[in-house]
Amino acid sequence: AQSVSQHNHHVILSEAASLELGCNYSYGGTVNLFWYVQYPGQHLQLLLKYFSGDPLVKGIKGFEAEFIKSKFSFNLRKPSVQWSDTAEYFCAVNFMDSNYQLIWGAGTKLIIKP
Amino acid sequence: GAVVSQHPSRVICKSGTSVKIECRSLDFQATTMFWYRQFPKQSLMLMATSNEGSKATYEQGVEKDKFLINHASLTLSTLTVTSAHPEDSSFYICSARDIGNEQYFGPGTRLTVT
Repeated sequence: AQSVSQHNHHVILSEAASLELGCNYSYGGTVNLFWYVQYPGQHLQLLLKYFSGDPLVKGIKGFEAEFIKSKFSFNLRKPSVQWSDTAEYFCAVNFMDSNYQLIWGAGTKLIIKP
Repeated sequence: GAVVSQHPSRVICKSGTSVKIECRSLDFQATTMFWYRQFPKQSLMLMATSNEGSKATYEQGVEKDKFLINHASLTLSTLTVTSAHPEDSSFYICSARDIGNEQYFGPGTRLTVT
């Protein structure tokens, strides 16, 4: 069965630090890739997505992610985090060969210290 | 952008009663809707896939007689938790897939069973 793994369950950073959250998925043919964010007390919001084209994807709020097909990875990055980035981040992969099933990573809880 | 609503956002019910949660796509038609459950500190888990006009497809381990799903129209799916118990307390999220195969998530429903 397809799977998605996020390497860190908890990350604590200081403001202005750089961020990289890992996301790897199992082989499953053609994929669409997503990062979602859930701020405390709020619902899931789409940060960015990759369907095709340039593997470096720019999202909202200064986030970007790079799709590296050979590594089955889609890591999320931000050069300088802010306190308001404190949230839980979920990577999700749409395996198109499996009836578009969306598989979620376990999430990474990010805490930014002011 | 596409909007998915859920109602209610929070519900508290007594053990043994049934609760219905509605999921609506407000400005697009969704032939497929998904129901997820989020356990504390864990990822979203897909419970079932609901196609308009047909029976829902349940994931392994999800009791279809306990979690009744109805997808009567292209904009509405309902999840009924029958004979709820405290272990059913959770955060339930629906999503709707548009014709471009992108999923839009509802804000979620917090169910507490006392």
